[in-house]
Amino acid sequence: QVQLKESGPGLVQPSQTLSLTCTVSGFSLTSNSVHWVRQPPGKGLEWMGGIWGDGSTDYNSALKSRLSISRDTSKSQVFLKMNSLQTDDTAIYFCTRWVTTTANYFDYWGQGVMVTVSS
Amino acid sequence: DVVLTQTPPTLSATIGQSVSISCRSSQSLLDGDGDTYLNWLLQRPGQSPQLLIYSVSNLESGVPNRFSGSGSETDFTLKISGVEAEDLGVYYCMQATHAPLTFGSGTKLEIK
Repeated sequence: QVQLKESGPGLVQPSQTLSLTCTVSGFSLTSNSVHWVRQPPGKGLEWMGGIWGDGSTDYNSALKSRLSISRDTSKSQVFLKMNSLQTDDTAIYFCTRWVTTTANYFDYWGQGVMVTVSS
Repeated sequence: DVVLTQTPPTLSATIGQSVSISCRSSQSLLDGDGDTYLNWLLQRPGQSPQLLIYSVSNLESGVPNRFSGSGSETDFTLKISGVEAEDLGVYYCMQATHAPLTFGSGTKLEIK
């Protein structure tokens, strides 16, 4: 069945780079799109960006200068790298699969990984 | 960016009560292809969001039919006909017509 699982460090120092991995199973990255969504503690959801089946990427313009999303299809993994982290980047980071065949929506989500930015 | 305004921010309901959540968009969500990409998600406490409804009114597989969605252009509504205990959590609307994808600020449903 379709599964996504995020992994990465729980604590990152300010000004450092965040690196997260989303490992997927049950579907192919070459024919599906995977996106990252984050949620600061007690707050709402923010779309960060995603990578499409053809390898192209889209980013939220608010984060574009700091964000990079890539993948390794042989390992079924999608990567997020974001630099110059600040305390307001503290959040739960989710990866999620995007469906575009009949409509546009996220159908499966990972459990999320909590990232705290603190010295 | 499209701003989605959800009301009310919190909702308290008894089991069996019917409730509605409003989502208003700062721009029409009608796409050039004639579709409207407005979705509803539920995030239960401590869990990831889950899809309830896509494209305004289409129920995701496995979602109980007490959930229904309606609306057009800029005004949308999620209705729960007969709240159950498992429905507690935060409900988000989300639009995928315009880039970037955006979410509403959420409506927290509490069970009395």
